[in-house]
Amino acid sequence: SSELTQDPAVSVALGQTVRITCQGDSLRDYYASWYQQKPGQAPILLIYGKNNRPSGIPDRFSGSNSGNTASLTITGAQAEDEADYYCNSRDTSGNHWVFGGGTQLTVL
Amino acid sequence: QVQLRESGPGLVKPSETLSLSCSVSGGSVSSGSYYWSWIRQPPGKGLEWIGYIYSSGTTNYSPSLKSRITISVDTSQNQFSLKVRSVTAADTAVYYCATWNAYDSYFDYWGQGTLVTVSS
Repeated sequence: SSELTQDPAVSVALGQTVRITCQGDSLRDYYASWYQQKPGQAPILLIYGKNNRPSGIPDRFSGSNSGNTASLTITGAQAEDEADYYCNSRDTSGNHWVFGGGTQLTVL
Repeated sequence: QVQLRESGPGLVKPSETLSLSCSVSGGSVSSGSYYWSWIRQPPGKGLEWIGYIYSSGTTNYSPSLKSRITISVDTSQNQFSLKVRSVTAADTAVYYCATWNAYDSYFDYWGQGTLVTVSS
């Protein structure tokens, strides 16, 4: 089991807002980064740090943190947002990195 | 922009050693800009961090794999490599090489991934 816990599956109606969460003790001390992965493709970076988006990532993607939980919010979900989403951060030792188990997002 | 490409055998026999290379373009493995990383994903499952190597040769491995893996750098070929010893079917996965940006702690550039199957 991962030290970062994500809901396995989440759904959202087209155009609505969805929050994908990532829980873990290490998140009290370290930020998470978020990745989107579509079938057969490599993951792409969506969010890092407090709430930073690489160039080219739409501003409907945002990140937030509270206590032991990091969240990825998609405001106005689009059909092309249907994908798997992974969080990543340090483990509880602070010396290694772990991924959450991933959340499969379905856009209805 | 850094581009990464994995290469290596797609089929490895149980108990043997899995060897992969990651060719780097648009950047140098000798520079201190990135930590050169490996990540894997078993079929239908999530991502697993394997480890990284820095230009200085410093390595950091996943505790669960540490006893079986080696990551090294070949500056003459501008590539870095992964070896996993004594493989089993559980090592069957898509293996990705990626760059890890230590300043803001994220994986920014990824290879396309290569599937390695462990089977006799």
